[in-house]
Amino acid sequence: ETGVTQSPTHLIKTRGQQVTLRCSSQSGHNTVSWYQQALGQGPQFIFQYYREEENGRGNFPPRFSGLQFPNYSSELNVNALELDDSALYLCASSLAFTQNTEAFFGQGTRLTVV
Amino acid sequence: GENVEQHPSTLSVQEGDSAVIKCTYSDSASNYFPWYKQELGKRPQLIIDIRSNVGEKKDQRIAVTLNKTAKHFSLHITETQPEDSAVYFCAASSGGSNYKLTFGKGTLLTVNP
Repeated sequence: ETGVTQSPTHLIKTRGQQVTLRCSSQSGHNTVSWYQQALGQGPQFIFQYYREEENGRGNFPPRFSGLQFPNYSSELNVNALELDDSALYLCASSLAFTQNTEAFFGQGTRLTVV
Repeated sequence: GENVEQHPSTLSVQEGDSAVIKCTYSDSASNYFPWYKQELGKRPQLIIDIRSNVGEKKDQRIAVTLNKTAKHFSLHITETQPEDSAVYFCAASSGGSNYKLTFGKGTLLTVNP
């Protein structure tokens, strides 16, 4: 196991609602990245947090937002949920964003929007 | 931004045969190329990676080659086993201060006993 944990594992929400997903990074890691993986696709980068600041963002609308806490855990918030937001949401933690160190993925949160 | 193309999308081999998956990338600044294995319902797990200052890397039955001039890299699995069956993703890092990984669409590898 990687030490990266996500909660909840599964979630069902209604269109228009808001959702918060959580990620606890591996001990010692200071960078967390979030990815969206639609069924049958590769993960797509949402954004990355380093030392509580957003450090890079993919092609996702502002209703996708995040936080990183002093202990390096992180949250992904999605407002005004749409059906297309149904996906596996993965977080990955790594040690230092200035070096290409390995990213360890959590098991993901399966979000279903109905 | 970076774009990663991966082929084939599905690959079926007999146990003991070799399997090769190929990826191309667009951003010449990319300098880190990991390969992930994802079993059904599980997290992506890094199986091997290569950095731009290396042309080839091997780990037991798995090897990766990188051609920076042509902007392509490949995964080679020899002596395949049924437990190698999974979806494999290649990825590229844009480099610089952003550790964003751009993934290919994946290859479903099936190893038939």
